[in-house]
Formats: sequence, structure tokens, C-alpha cells
Amino acid sequence: GQNIDQPTEMTATEGAIVQINCTYQTSGFNGLFWYQQHAGEAPTFLSYNVLDGLEEKGRFSSFLSRSKGYSYLLLKELQMKDSASYLCAVRNTGGFKTIFGAGTRLFVKA
Amino acid sequence: DTEVTQTPKHLVMGMTNKKSLKCEQHMGHRAMYWYKQKAKKPPELMFVYSYEKLSINESVPSRFSPECPNSSLLNLHLHALQPEDSALYLCATREGLGGDEQYFGPGTRLTVT
Repeated sequence: GQNIDQPTEMTATEGAIVQINCTYQTSGFNGLFWYQQHAGEAPTFLSYNVLDGLEEKGRFSSFLSRSKGYSYLLLKELQMKDSASYLCAVRNTGGFKTIFGAGTRLFVKA
Repeated sequence: DTEVTQTPKHLVMGMTNKKSLKCEQHMGHRAMYWYKQKAKKPPELMFVYSYEKLSINESVPSRFSPECPNSSLLNLHLHALQPEDSALYLCATREGLGGDEQYFGPGTRLTVT
């Protein structure tokens, strides 16, 4: 079976750091993605991990541990505009299918 | 050009209507996807086209009919839809099997009355 788990909602304060966790169990693995989606808009790509370790891109970092089926997205220096849903997604071995988690709704408060 | 465009932006249709959603890209990407997304839910894969051939159909009801007339265009033909089919329909593209991210279009907000 395939399962991707992430918290439903999180709240954090402007300027702070927040970590959004994702655990997955999939029949195959060919990369893990994080997407940001504002309400009513399309998802936009944030990061891609296929090897273990940390990938840093500006205020956003993503970590992957394949042996643990675990990833996190780290957002630093939070801004109000970071209030959005963050989707964890896993690509299967064949490469065509990307399975999305239910998403974590992040609320950034002043 | 790193844009995926979708038309129309909004669509309201009755259950007896026939309509089509369109998706266009000029990035030379060879994989194109249709997703359906209900409110507060993740995108659900419907169809995948690779090199203009249907590669994946996620057991989608036949009232949804995809078409890929050429490498830049992807259509989704709709017929006899149900109110529960109301959702955001997203088109996405990837460079190919060697590509990484999917580029999503802005989506078509569909309401079936």
C-alpha cells in the first residue's frame, strides 16, 4: 500500500522557524517533493530530495532519510505570505506517478 | 517559457452538457498530467500522457475523456458529469522520465450543477 502522513495544521509566528514532517510508506521510491499551495491556486515546487540529507534553498530546506521513510521541510524567518498548504509528495519507481500527502496547512501569525 | 496555461479558468456546466478543458505548454515537456483536487484535499492523479500516449488511467470514470492532440496540448473532455465532480482540475507537465519537478497550470475551477 501507499501512505503519506503529515500533520493537518500548524501555527507559527512571523520571524520564527517551523518544521513540517512527512512520513511515507510507498511501494517504490524515486524522489520526494515538497510543494506550496495557496488556497485556490496551483501547487508550486519548493524542493526535491532523492538522496539522504539536507537540501537548502534560501529560507527553505528539506531533509530526507530513505531508511526511515521520513522527510521534513524547514521554513526559516517566517513571513505572513508563507501561510499556505505544504504538500509532501513521493514519486514511484517507474517515474510517472507522484503521490501527494494530504498537506499541512500552515498559519503564520503576527 | 516555463508556463503551463489552462483554459477556461472557471467553468459552470449542467449534468447534460459536454465541455472541454484545455492545457498548453511550450517547454518541450513530454509527460503531461491531469489531476483533480477537491477543497482541502491533495491533488489526485487522473491521467498521465507520455510522448503523447496515454500511460496511466487511474480508473477514472468514462465521463472524463483525455486527449493529447500534440506534444503541446492536453485536453480533458467532459460529458454527463455529476455534482460531485465539481473540483479544481490541474494540468501538470514534466520534462520526461529524467526530469524532476512537475510544473502545474493554474487550474480550472469546475462547478457541475
